[in-house]
Amino acid sequence: DIQMTQSPSSLSASVGDRVIITCRASQGLSNSLAWYQQKPGRAPKLLVSGASRLESGVPSRFTGSGSGTDYSLTISALLPEDFAIYYCQQYFAVPVTFGGGTKIEIK
Amino acid sequence: QVQLQESGPGLVKPSQTLPLTCTVSGDSISSGLYYWAWIRQHPGKGLEWIGFMSHSGLTYYDPSLKSRILVSVDSSKNQVSLSLTSVTAADTAVYYCARASGYSHGRVYFDLWGRGTLVTVSS
Repeated sequence: DIQMTQSPSSLSASVGDRVIITCRASQGLSNSLAWYQQKPGRAPKLLVSGASRLESGVPSRFTGSGSGTDYSLTISALLPEDFAIYYCQQYFAVPVTFGGGTKIEIK
Repeated sequence: QVQLQESGPGLVKPSQTLPLTCTVSGDSISSGLYYWAWIRQHPGKGLEWIGFMSHSGLTYYDPSLKSRILVSVDSSKNQVSLSLTSVTAADTAVYYCARASGYSHGRVYFDLWGRGTLVTVSS
């Protein structure tokens, strides 16, 4: 199975901050990487697929990038509604696997 | 607007079988464009893929759960079902139904999710 390691596991940030979350895979993914946002008590929401393809309706302050084994999700300027848990997921191989999550908390 | 709604017993006894159903509205499961998946989340933990099925019947299951899982599709009812046998307390989780897109052979991501249903395994 492909192991997905996210970092950091949590971070504290302020509104307006630029935040970068990283995801490292145990093998190359050929950009088969998705990012999700989950708010408390809610289902995850797909933000990015194909490593950098923003889903319809997702604000442009979110950017996905990376290649090979290393990928990142950048939020250019945090808004209050962005405080949540973010997960990466590889779909290069079955079983598809998720990262452990990154919780963004208000500083 | 496509919506997914999970339903099932909130409480299941150990060793019993957990049956869950996902009703899809606003889209046809038979369209052939998507896989239909189950994902769970243990309390306070991360996401765990369980399995998925295409409209044509191709199934992929997490290897660690494969011996206990059955995912099926009822096109006439536009429903996806999950059956998990011999449950233990370790199966207590929120179970999500999701629509999956991507490539062939199960290499998919999840572009639409249901709200999830909490299942507790306890005597």
